[in-house]
Amino acid sequence: NAGVMQNPRHLVRRRGQEARLRCSPMKGHSHVYWYRQLPEEGLKFMVYLQKENIIDESGMPKERFSAEFPKEGPSILRIQQVVRGDSAAYFCASSSNFRDRTYEQYFGPGTRLTVT
Amino acid sequence: DAKTTQPTSMDCAEGRAANLPCNHSTISGNEYVYWYRQIHSQGPQYIIHGLKNNETNEMASLIITEDRKSSTLILPHATLRDTAVYYCIVRVGTDKLIFGTGTRLQVFP
Repeated sequence: NAGVMQNPRHLVRRRGQEARLRCSPMKGHSHVYWYRQLPEEGLKFMVYLQKENIIDESGMPKERFSAEFPKEGPSILRIQQVVRGDSAAYFCASSSNFRDRTYEQYFGPGTRLTVT
Repeated sequence: DAKTTQPTSMDCAEGRAANLPCNHSTISGNEYVYWYRQIHSQGPQYIIHGLKNNETNEMASLIITEDRKSSTLILPHATLRDTAVYYCIVRVGTDKLIFGTGTRLQVFP
């Protein structure tokens, strides 16, 4: 039973380019969460999606960032016109309705974005 | 902001039990207590969760006080591979996880 998969694991972009990060949830999971971890800091929530719907985007920067979770295929976190401050580890987590409706989240290995 | 308070760091000898405390005095009746850990720069790993009763799984035990204002995560026989940052999080339903600063556990030989 494969876990949460993220690709690429490492991504280097020049300032102004676009970054696309992909997340494939665990089989049977319909909830996807994205988190960002800046160097030497804790994880911060960005966005929560279900299939074709954004449920909570309260942690997303207002500009340049977008996320989707289409009916088919992985969830995508897209960062347009990247800046050095976007350099971070981006983690995806997925969950489903387990016993007792507690929705524990399982994390992928992360994508490390470096902006030069 | 995180709703939990944890010590910044703890040490534990290999083979001994590691007891990691967490205060969550403002926890609501429908909020669960979750524990995660992050080993180095890997993705956080789910450990255990509970509501009222004590819980045990293959990784750890979770002891929740009767008033639910605090809890303790117990790693019964710590190994060097348990060295990590441990996060205590309160949450309900499909809510996002709000990570605080956690406890940095160092297991030494």
